[in-house]
Amino acid sequence: NAGVTQTPKFRILKIGQSMTLQCTQDMNHNYMYWYRQDPGMGLKLIYYSVGAGITDKGEVPNGYNVSRSTTEDFPLRLELAAPSQTSVYFCASSRSGRGGDEQFFGPGTRLTVL
Amino acid sequence: AQSVTQPDIHITVSEGASLELRCNYSYGATPYLFWYVQSPGQGLQLLLKYFSGDTLVQGIKGFEAEFKRSQSSFNLRKPSVHWSDAAEYFCAVGARAAGNKLTFGGGTRVLVKP
Repeated sequence: NAGVTQTPKFRILKIGQSMTLQCTQDMNHNYMYWYRQDPGMGLKLIYYSVGAGITDKGEVPNGYNVSRSTTEDFPLRLELAAPSQTSVYFCASSRSGRGGDEQFFGPGTRLTVL
Repeated sequence: AQSVTQPDIHITVSEGASLELRCNYSYGATPYLFWYVQSPGQGLQLLLKYFSGDTLVQGIKGFEAEFKRSQSSFNLRKPSVHWSDAAEYFCAVGARAAGNKLTFGGGTRVLVKP
């Protein structure tokens, strides 16, 4: 099993550009999550999904969109990139939504918006 | 709302010395508690978790943590640090309600001196 994979690893965007961060998991997990990590701030939840076709906002959803058409894939879309979106983005998955179920993390995408 | 505080941003420890990382949480009931480790350029890996029962929890890589309800703390310890333990460590709290959403602390970066 590859676990949770993310592409690309690094990306530089200009202000106003758009891009999609890809996330795929091969563990047949129902729940998937997107976090952003800023220095000293830990990880903040952007969006999460409880299954194909169902998504919900996390703590910091503004400026992002998600979709979940399959169990495996959970892409994160930035429509109009802004410098405030410079961050490291992590995708995670868990088997269920039961509290305490372990979340498995991908290696991250480092995004810089100039 | 739940929150997590990691008071120490950086800790430097000599190889072979003991390590203790502090974590304080705020939550209305008994939470699920986690410690994750992030090696440079990597995603997060679960070290250990507390759900209920024995308040001293053993994890991987020789780490342990103790849940103290009276102090709202979940400190991480290791008796003898190895150079490979240099990383960033995150404490997280999860709600017992459905959704499995985690709230992370700001992280503690550990440097290991030879």
